[in-house]
Formats: sequence, C-alpha cells, structure tokens
Amino acid sequence: DAGITQSPRHKVTETGTPVTLRCHQTENHRYMYWYRQDPGHGLRLIHYSYGVKDTDKGEVSDGYSVSRSKTEDFLLTLESATSSQTSVYFCAISESLLAGYYNEQFFGPGTRLTVL
Amino acid sequence: DAKTTQPTSMDCAEGRAANLPCNHSTISGNEYVYWYRQIHSQGPQYIIHGLKNNETNEMASLIITEDRKSSTLILPHATLRDTAVYYCIVRVRDAGGTSYGKLTFGQGTILTVHP
Repeated sequence: DAGITQSPRHKVTETGTPVTLRCHQTENHRYMYWYRQDPGHGLRLIHYSYGVKDTDKGEVSDGYSVSRSKTEDFLLTLESATSSQTSVYFCAISESLLAGYYNEQFFGPGTRLTVL
Repeated sequence: DAKTTQPTSMDCAEGRAANLPCNHSTISGNEYVYWYRQIHSQGPQYIIHGLKNNETNEMASLIITEDRKSSTLILPHATLRDTAVYYCIVRVRDAGGTSYGKLTFGQGTILTVHP
C-alpha cells in the first residue's frame, strides 16, 4: 500500500471554529488531492496540488484553503467550519512517469469530520 | 473529461464472474478508461485502466469495445470481499496538459456479492 496517512482520523468540532486536516505521504509523489464524500454526491475534488506551493481549486473549493510547503504534506483548512462541511475527507496522491503520463491515484484512509 | 454511465447496482453470486458495464459514448481519442472501487468506509482503490486494448491484471480484466464507447470490468471469480462501489472514470492520461491527473467520480455501481 502507498504510504499515505491522514490526521486526525476522526474529529468533532463546533460551527465557526477553524479546522486543519493533514495528509502526509512517504512516496515523494508530486501530485496531491483533497476530496470530500457525502451521501448522494460521491467523491468531489476540493483542491489539488501539482508541486510544492503550487495549488489550485477543484469542484467544491468554497470555504476551504490548502497549503503545501513541502512535498510530503498537504494541509486542508476550514477557516470557519459550517455544518455543511460535515463529511468524510480523503487525500490522494499520484505521480507522472518520465514518459509524461499520470499514474493512478492512491487514496488515504479518510478523515471523518463532524461539525455541530 | 468524458461522462460515464453505470448501473446503480448489481448482484453477483460468490465464485461467479461479475461483469460491470460502463458507457462512455463521448470519450475522446486521448482519454483512458479507469476503474476504481471503494469498499465500505475505505478510500477508493485503483483496479485497472486501458485505452483501446483489453487489459488484465491480478485483480480484474477490462474489455473495451472497438469504438471505445463502452467497457466492461470483469471480476472473474467474485468473492464476498469484492462487495464495493465500482467507479468507471474516463480521463486523459497525458501529463502534458493541465488536468494534473484529476479524477471526476460519478455515483458508481454498488456491487453486492452474495453467498
């Protein structure tokens, strides 16, 4: 299994508080992604990174920010958590080969976040 | 990326082959077909991918029609542990563009393998 960890694995917080989720990889992969998964919506991309300090928005980025100061860590921050951000959050990583093709994505175990 | 259409759910008897269809009629020439699955409460897991030739690995086989408008994932001898949501995703694989390897997940097919 790819070396991806997410922390915390479970978190309960209150509306209006800031929350930071961490994704840590030991594979030295260039690309990292944050997804959220909700019933009826499947997995949706929040933000992604294509290198250190290089990030961009995904499909559902409102209310979220990210940072990547080193290859192995990709942080997802909810500046002021809302109940609509209650979800399961998955981090994923991938790499591109020398031939210029993206490899498949490897996913972390997920973080279950509940905002009361 | 091209959209995909999958049945909402399917059943399969343990030990039998599970054949999961996917329609992707708007697929472009440089788009690949990927299959992932998600076992309950876990992160998605890559299964297989292909461009136009049939592919096989230790987990499954992928059959892509000649016109590439549909494909079938085959689990040759399904087990109870294969019960999961299976996602068919079409995307470019070329790192020269700006897709950055992003995946767009649909609702997938819930496969239930029963004894």
